[in-house]
Amino acid sequence: SQQGEEDPQALSIQEGENATMNCSYKTSINNLQWYRQNSGRGLVHLILIRSNEREKHSGRLRVTLDTSKKSSSLLITASRAADTASYFCATGYNQGGKLIFGQGTELSVKP
Amino acid sequence: DVKVTQSSRYLVKRTGEKVFLECVQDMDHENMFWYRQDPGLGLRLIYFSYDVKMKEKGDIPEGYSVSREKKERFSLILESASTNQTSMYLCASSTGGGAGGEAFFGQGTRLTVV
Repeated sequence: SQQGEEDPQALSIQEGENATMNCSYKTSINNLQWYRQNSGRGLVHLILIRSNEREKHSGRLRVTLDTSKKSSSLLITASRAADTASYFCATGYNQGGKLIFGQGTELSVKP
Repeated sequence: DVKVTQSSRYLVKRTGEKVFLECVQDMDHENMFWYRQDPGLGLRLIYFSYDVKMKEKGDIPEGYSVSREKKERFSLILESASTNQTSMYLCASSTGGGAGGEAFFGQGTRLTVV
């Protein structure tokens, strides 16, 4: 299996704090993506970083990628209660667009 | 607005039945995927397809097959449903051709096999 691992499995913070989630993967990738899933809903794409990029920003999101360590991190700054959700990393491969997801991190942001 | 539509939100089937889960996308995407999602295991790839009539096995293809006769439609087939196939099934399509890109997901089908 190419499925990577996410760390931590669960994270509980107060509103206004930063949340950091980590993702490790096993084989060379074409890109790495982060998704969000609210309870009982479908997944929503947040950000994509290509294998030749090291850092990317989108609003309050910052993603880093270290291909030498086969790892990525997602930072959500100034978190809000509405950020409460599960977050998944997904690795994209040059095999017909194959996309493999990790096990996810459950983030709880308390008001 | 982009859309991936799964035919059923909830489904209850009996052990041994042949089950069809249908997925349609309206974005002209080349790539389509079927995942199952179970607590603590994240999303696991069952099959994916990068073109009409093309299919590739994912990490857990056993007990499943797929069909892609038209670009917009990707069907997942449980040949003989078993209780361990009770799960949430998610369909997705993506941009980017062979290099892959952003994936768009359907709302999921919660399948219960009794």
